[in-house]
Amino acid sequence: AQTVTQSQPEMSVQEAETVTLSCTYDTSESDYYLFWYKQPPSRQMILVIRQEAYKQQNATENRFSVNFQKAAKSFSLKISDSQLGDAAMYFCAYAISGSARQLTFGSGTQLTVLP
Amino acid sequence: EADIYQTPRYLVIGTGKKITLECSQTMGHDKMYWYQQDPGMELHLIHYSYGVNSTEKGDLSSESTVSRIRTEHFPLTLESARPSHTSQYLCASSPGAGEAFFGQGTRLTVV
Repeated sequence: AQTVTQSQPEMSVQEAETVTLSCTYDTSESDYYLFWYKQPPSRQMILVIRQEAYKQQNATENRFSVNFQKAAKSFSLKISDSQLGDAAMYFCAYAISGSARQLTFGSGTQLTVLP
Repeated sequence: EADIYQTPRYLVIGTGKKITLECSQTMGHDKMYWYQQDPGMELHLIHYSYGVNSTEKGDLSSESTVSRIRTEHFPLTLESARPSHTSQYLCASSPGAGEAFFGQGTRLTVV
């Protein structure tokens, strides 16, 4: 069975600083996707960034980037120049390529941004 | 904003009542999903569908049922609500490749 582990239940960062959220996963599959989702308080879950396992290059979306270490099964999210609007619960998620079954989520990291 | 809608947003209902949580999407996605999420906790897949007339149970045992008669509609029904069903229910749809679009959720309280 696939598992996703987020070992940091809570993190905080000063506004304009950089923070890294950790995620590890366990799978025997070779073709899969990894995601970071953001869930602001009382708002919709939205996709932050995705990474295809076959790509060696780390994905980047504006201030968000990942450090994907396939051999170590590690997938961390770096948020640069943190903003107050980044405060949310962040979920790491995994999906097998071509599978109808959907995402397996980690337990989440609550990020607080301090002004 | 993704075109996936859940109603109601909030529901307080008595034990033993039958309830249906609605979920609709206008993106034409074949894959749709229901997750259960307790506050501040991880999401657990309870049902999924990969097209009309196809539904499967997810990882978390649930007393709810689902139907998929139309592509855009994926309602979840609880025949007899219990306090243990109190939770947030998230609906999602996917065009494939793992990416999901989520509704705003229904926060259910059974008293």
